[in-house]
Amino acid sequence: GESVGLHLPTLSVQEGDNSIINCAYSNSASDYFIWYKQESGKGPQFIIDIRSNMDKRQGQRVTVLLNKTVKHLSLQIAATQPGDSAVYFCAENMATIQGAQKLVFGQGTRLTINP
Amino acid sequence: DTGVSQDPRHKITKRGQNVTFRCDPISEHNRLYWYRQTLGQGPEFLTYFQNEAQLEKSRLLSDRFSAERPKGSFSTLEIQRTEQGDSAMYLCASSKRAGVRSGELFFGEGSRLTVL
Repeated sequence: GESVGLHLPTLSVQEGDNSIINCAYSNSASDYFIWYKQESGKGPQFIIDIRSNMDKRQGQRVTVLLNKTVKHLSLQIAATQPGDSAVYFCAENMATIQGAQKLVFGQGTRLTINP
Repeated sequence: DTGVSQDPRHKITKRGQNVTFRCDPISEHNRLYWYRQTLGQGPEFLTYFQNEAQLEKSRLLSDRFSAERPKGSFSTLEIQRTEQGDSAMYLCASSKRAGVRSGELFFGEGSRLTVL
């Protein structure tokens, strides 16, 4: 079946370094992707989204890259801070005719920022 | 606090008991979602409300599960005859009308269910 998955379950980086979190998807018809951050004991929090008519989108310290040829997207976090430590999920948005934003989440990558 | 509120935060119950979770969405959001998250996994969609109408239900939502949003504001998720496999975090999310950043759901902190 269609799925969204991540390459690595854990990632550790030094504070101040840049981090890259990868995600593969299998549904070539997918046209909208979102990255969420989930801190321990909290619900997921929206970070950034990208539509399939773009290959790059930048936010504050974050950049999402989309490669539709290989069905891969990545989240780059610049100058990581301790507060960036969390689990990061990529999600495929399967909007339905009823208007639901049915997010299909991947397994997640745990990012740890070392001081 | 104007975020999504869920209650209770933790629930421990014995197999076969019924449990009910409540979600209070952000006040101006007319769309409400329930997701389920098991340890180490991403959230899975369960159901969707637009105002008081339940418009989408996942196949994950067995007949032991029922969700309501009677006045288009708060919602409840009831699980009858709980099973150990129901142990999970139940997340509620709300959003405005679809449009720019339509995938931006505002999640609550979840209700963690443990079925013994």
